[in-house]
Amino acid sequence: DAGITQSPRHKVTETGTPVTLRCHQTENHRYMYWYRQDPGHGLRLIHYSYGVKDTDKGEVSDGYSVSRSKTEDFLLTLESATSSQTSVYFCAISERASGSSNEQFFGPGTRLTVL
Amino acid sequence: SQQGEEDPQALSIQEGENATMNCSYKTSINNLQWYRQNSGRGLVHLILIRSNEREKHSGRLRVTLDTSKKSSSLLITASRAADTASYFCATATRGSQGNLIFGKGTKLSVKP
Repeated sequence: DAGITQSPRHKVTETGTPVTLRCHQTENHRYMYWYRQDPGHGLRLIHYSYGVKDTDKGEVSDGYSVSRSKTEDFLLTLESATSSQTSVYFCAISERASGSSNEQFFGPGTRLTVL
Repeated sequence: SQQGEEDPQALSIQEGENATMNCSYKTSINNLQWYRQNSGRGLVHLILIRSNEREKHSGRLRVTLDTSKKSSSLLITASRAADTASYFCATATRGSQGNLIFGKGTKLSVKP
């Protein structure tokens, strides 16, 4: 397995509280991604990073922010969690961008419940 | 917006049978990838096919790509109970910074 860890693996929080999820990689891959997976929607991209301090929005970025201060860490923050953000969150990494062999390697996921 | 759409949504077969899943997409792509997800786990990359390729094999997997019809199929031959999982297609469009757009998946159940 690619060296990707996510923490925490499970979290229950209350509406209105801030939450930060961490993705850590040991592969030195340039690209990192945050997805959410919900029944009936598949995987949807929240934010991605194409280098240290270089990030951009994905399809469902509202209510989320990210930071990448080191190659190995990509943080996802919910500034004020809402029940609609209850989901399973996956981090992924890839070595190259589109146009090349850009297969992504996924972390084990974080199950977040917002009450 | 969803780029890839898998069909069928669910598929149940007996061990030893072949399983075929289809994926349709909407815009021009650089490549199309298939991933597997076991229950409660992250996705695992299976195979990548480039837009200039028509067929690719990897072990018991066979992937075809028809860019004129904007569709792909994944064939798993001689299926095993361990193949039980959800299968997703993902497309990489030109200039997409490596971003993939995933379909909603096909849930495959292989009965022993």
